[in-house]
Amino acid sequence: DAGVIQSPRHEVTEMGQEVTLRCKPISGHNSLFWYRQTMMRGLELLIYFNNNVPIDDSGMPEDRFSAKMPNASFSTLKIQPSEPRDSAVYFCASSRGQGAQQPQHFGDGTRLSIL
Amino acid sequence: SQQGEEDPQALSIQEGENATMNCSYKTSINNLQWYRQNSGRGLVHLILIRSNEREKHSGRLRVTLDTSKKSSSLLITASRAADTASYFCATDEGNNRLAFGKGNQVVVIP
Repeated sequence: DAGVIQSPRHEVTEMGQEVTLRCKPISGHNSLFWYRQTMMRGLELLIYFNNNVPIDDSGMPEDRFSAKMPNASFSTLKIQPSEPRDSAVYFCASSRGQGAQQPQHFGDGTRLSIL
Repeated sequence: SQQGEEDPQALSIQEGENATMNCSYKTSINNLQWYRQNSGRGLVHLILIRSNEREKHSGRLRVTLDTSKKSSSLLITASRAADTASYFCATDEGNNRLAFGKGNQVVVIP
């Protein structure tokens, strides 16, 4: 079975540019999560969708970040404009059920470098 | 938000030995989960233990939960070089979020 698929795996861009990260969750999973991982702050939840609806976006750092889930098989995380402090590994995860009640399945992440 | 805290943060052992990691947390939880992360990869779920459970096993993994002490342990028996990874505990505090600890780096020496 295919796992969570993220693209691109690596992204290097200059500050001020728009960055779009993509995620395809596991078929049949109705919860989707975007996380950011850095050495300093560890793994942080950015936003959580359930049945394609954003439930908790309190972790989104600021208005430069936005996320969408137009259907059950696709989600995007967009940063516009990007800044060097956005450099991190961004993970998408999906699960059955709601919230943190079930195991989460992670993609292999997008390593983002903003120059 | 409150996070699980893993202890020790780094562990180096010989292949074949057992490895034990601890996780402490501060508030009541619905469940606690352990994940493994290999270098350059995403997290992989290992075990979920609910607040009314005390012990769970999965292959060479054994997880215990002591809600009175707000702590959990992960035991890997007969470690292998392939077990080299970072291990994270994560707590479900009932707010739709999993709060992850900073992780525990385990190195298994062949």
